[in-house]
Amino acid sequence: KAGVTQTPRYLIKTRGQQVTLSCSPISGHRSVSWYQQTPGQGLQFLFEYFSETQRNKGNFPGRFSGRQFSNSRSEMNVSTLELGDSALYLCASSSDGDGSPLHFGNGTRLTVT
Amino acid sequence: TQLLEQSPQFLSIQEGENLTVYCNSSSVFSSLQWYRQEPGEGPVLLVTVVTGGEVKKLKRLTFQFGDARKDSSLHITAAQPGDTGLYLCAVPNAGGTSYGKLTFGQGTILTVHP
Repeated sequence: KAGVTQTPRYLIKTRGQQVTLSCSPISGHRSVSWYQQTPGQGLQFLFEYFSETQRNKGNFPGRFSGRQFSNSRSEMNVSTLELGDSALYLCASSSDGDGSPLHFGNGTRLTVT
Repeated sequence: TQLLEQSPQFLSIQEGENLTVYCNSSSVFSSLQWYRQEPGEGPVLLVTVVTGGEVKKLKRLTFQFGDARKDSSLHITAAQPGDTGLYLCAVPNAGGTSYGKLTFGQGTILTVHP
């Protein structure tokens, strides 16, 4: 069974630009969560999607958004990039997102210059 | 204030030594998870503990959930270089529906030297 796939692995953007990251969950998993990982703040929850609906959201500004498609693939978008958005963005999938184990991808490393 | 306080933040030891990593909180949790993250990869779930006082073993790793379900420890016996990585404790969203949300500790970076 293929694991969680995130693309691209690395991304360099300039302040003010926007970026879209992609996540393909494990086959059969309907829940996709997104996390931001930085050295200072650690791993922080962004949002969770299930059946194309956002069910849970963390404390991030509205510049961070996401969506989920009917095949459970998910994208997250960050608009008007700031230097502080430089981080490893991790996607995790689970069968139901409600207590079932999370399986993480290897992340997208975003650098904002 | 962090919900989960992990200690130590950094640990550098020689192969063959034993070590313990702690995850503490003032809150009570229904369950607690431990993850290991290696450089360039995402976190991988090692274990979930759910019962106060529970002890789980995974080869040379021993996990314990505190009796009051407020803290946990991870003990590694005879550490090997392959144990190097970031160890994270995490709990489901407190005070609400979990829905994909885990709250993580800041992590312990373990380096095991050959």
